Amino acid sequence: EPEVTQTPSHQVTQMGQEVILRCVPISNHLYFYWYRQILGQKVEFLVSFYNNEISEKSEIFDDQFSVERPDGSNFTLKIRSTKLEDSAMYFCASSEPGASYNEQFFGPGTRLTVL
Amino acid sequence: RKEVEQDPGPFNVPEGATVAFNCTYSNSASQSFFWYRQDCRKEPKLLMSVYSSGNEDGRFTAQLNRASQYISLLIRDSKLSDSATYLCVVSGDSSYKLIFGSGTRLLVRP
Repeated sequence: EPEVTQTPSHQVTQMGQEVILRCVPISNHLYFYWYRQILGQKVEFLVSFYNNEISEKSEIFDDQFSVERPDGSNFTLKIRSTKLEDSAMYFCASSEPGASYNEQFFGPGTRLTVL
Repeated sequence: RKEVEQDPGPFNVPEGATVAFNCTYSNSASQSFFWYRQDCRKEPKLLMSVYSSGNEDGRFTAQLNRASQYISLLIRDSKLSDSATYLCVVSGDSSYKLIFGSGTRLLVRP
């Protein structure tokens, strides 16, 4: 069964450093998303991406964040200058075009720890 | 009012029990509704979409009441493996973003 994959599974970084989180969505999917979940809190939407551009972003997704689809398979989330409060689980998700219910499938996540 | 509201639980039930979870959502223009399950420190996994007419998948039955902005999930004949957090999820009126509830924790004991 096709699945979303994410690397690395755990990233530890120093405050102020840049991090890039990587995702490989399901191959025939064209809508891509990033969500995050701070420990003990609910899953929160960050950004959606379609046709090589951001289609929607949340208030959390400020100028420190960016997304990119550098090739035909990868989808990345970059945090330019990490803060302590960026420590969270980051989930990538994808969905297929034309699906009436837009069911989204999630990767296993990257646990980001900012020290 | 929270966008998606759920009873946090935990619900502690014996194997074989029937358990029901409820959820309310605030945006009456919401279009798509889902139940996801999440195991500890894992990703949300789609359990089922919730259709207006209600739908069933094996031991799981989901209902939607648009007038009351209320979604439910019924689990029959609970298994130990059903122990997880159940997330009520709603998609926006003109948006694909998913809005998650905080989840209801279920513990099924032997």
